[in-house]
Amino acid sequence: NAGVTQTPKFRILKIGQSMTLQCTQDMNHNYMYWYRQDPGMGLKLIYYSVGAGITDKGEVPNGYNVSRSTTEDFPLRLELAAPSQTSVYFCASSYSQGGYGYTFGSGTRLTVV
Amino acid sequence: DAKTTQPNSMESNEEEPVHLPCNHSTISGTDYIHWYRQLPSQGPEYVIHGLTSNVNNRMASLAIAEDRKSSTLILHRATLRDAAVYYCILYNAGKSTFGDGTTLTVKP
Repeated sequence: NAGVTQTPKFRILKIGQSMTLQCTQDMNHNYMYWYRQDPGMGLKLIYYSVGAGITDKGEVPNGYNVSRSTTEDFPLRLELAAPSQTSVYFCASSYSQGGYGYTFGSGTRLTVV
Repeated sequence: DAKTTQPNSMESNEEEPVHLPCNHSTISGTDYIHWYRQLPSQGPEYVIHGLTSNVNNRMASLAIAEDRKSSTLILHRATLRDAAVYYCILYNAGKSTFGDGTTLTVKP
């Protein structure tokens, strides 16, 4: 049981480049999320999904896009990378009910130069 | 979204109990209280959760105030491996807000 798997673990992008951060979970969780964490700060919600085909914005969605075509996968797309997007990105998943916790991936450390 | 308030930092001595407080005065009746911890260079890890009653598991205990406007995470005997950032969040249908958490330092 792998849990939540994120790839890549590290990436350096040049300003204006694009990339997709991959996230896959094998727990059949219906909810999935993308958070970013800047140095010394807490997590900020970028986008989330309550099921395949359904996505919604979080606190800081600008500069990002998501899609959810399957229950397992929730990729995060960065278009026209900017230095302000330098951060650690965490994907998480959960059941909808509050009686179950989040499972987080190990993160992707992104640097935009 | 309902917010939580935690102290920025706390210190503890090894093998002593630690009480980490969290205020959530705007909690709604259907919000669950969740606690997570984040070790350096890792993703957050689930610790414990509760709705109204106090909860115990192998990692910690959660004490919830009767009015549910505050809660306390209790580590019964702190170890050096418990040094981490601890987050208290309110969970309701998935969209939760993480604050900056409490950085716990454990002194040998």
